[in-house]
Amino acid sequence: DTGVSQNPRHKITKRGQNVTFRCDPISEHNRLYWYRQTLGQGPEFLTYFQNEAQLEKSRLLSDRFSAERPKGSFSTLEIQRTEQGDSAMYLCASSLMDRGLEQFFGPGTRLTVL
Amino acid sequence: GDSVTQMEGPVTLSEEAFLTINCTYTATGYPSLFWYVQYPGEGLQLLLKATKADDKGSNKGFEATYRKETTSFHLEKGSVQVSDSAVYFCALFGAGSYQLTFGKGTKLSVIP
Repeated sequence: DTGVSQNPRHKITKRGQNVTFRCDPISEHNRLYWYRQTLGQGPEFLTYFQNEAQLEKSRLLSDRFSAERPKGSFSTLEIQRTEQGDSAMYLCASSLMDRGLEQFFGPGTRLTVL
Repeated sequence: GDSVTQMEGPVTLSEEAFLTINCTYTATGYPSLFWYVQYPGEGLQLLLKATKADDKGSNKGFEATYRKETTSFHLEKGSVQVSDSAVYFCALFGAGSYQLTFGKGTKLSVIP
């Protein structure tokens, strides 16, 4: 399968714990995006990478959130000191720079904070 | 800022019925417009897109026309099938932006 993959698919954690999610984009896609989707809502943009550079961050991305994309390949999203309000589906998408309009989404990681 | 408003669901239709899901947007400049679909248990998939005014996007029998004068991008299908049951999201890519702005989604259920 050459689509966007995300791991883990589900994560249950206790409030105050740190969690890390991984996204593997489609090979050769140089743009990578993170979105968050809560129940009954559409996805909301969190951050965007072009290769290894993080070029845009939403104000939704508090200082407890950090994202990296070392070497411009896979990306990680870490949430420190999780809160119940962080419970959501975290979606990753990737695209080619010259066809940046078409974003391909992964299946998401569902986070539940108890 | 940019925003997308789409009709609230859920929408329940009988097989072979006509479908319309309304979508209107607010954006500066000339955004690109999209419909994404999320089937149960699956990730978001691009259904169709239109990048300039009066463009018509189409795929799998679905159509939507970019109407600049009414800032709308309504999704239509002439005859829905049970397999079309999913959540449909209208989205826009603002001019000079790298992010998609989504509506809240409309859940469609098609019954035999």
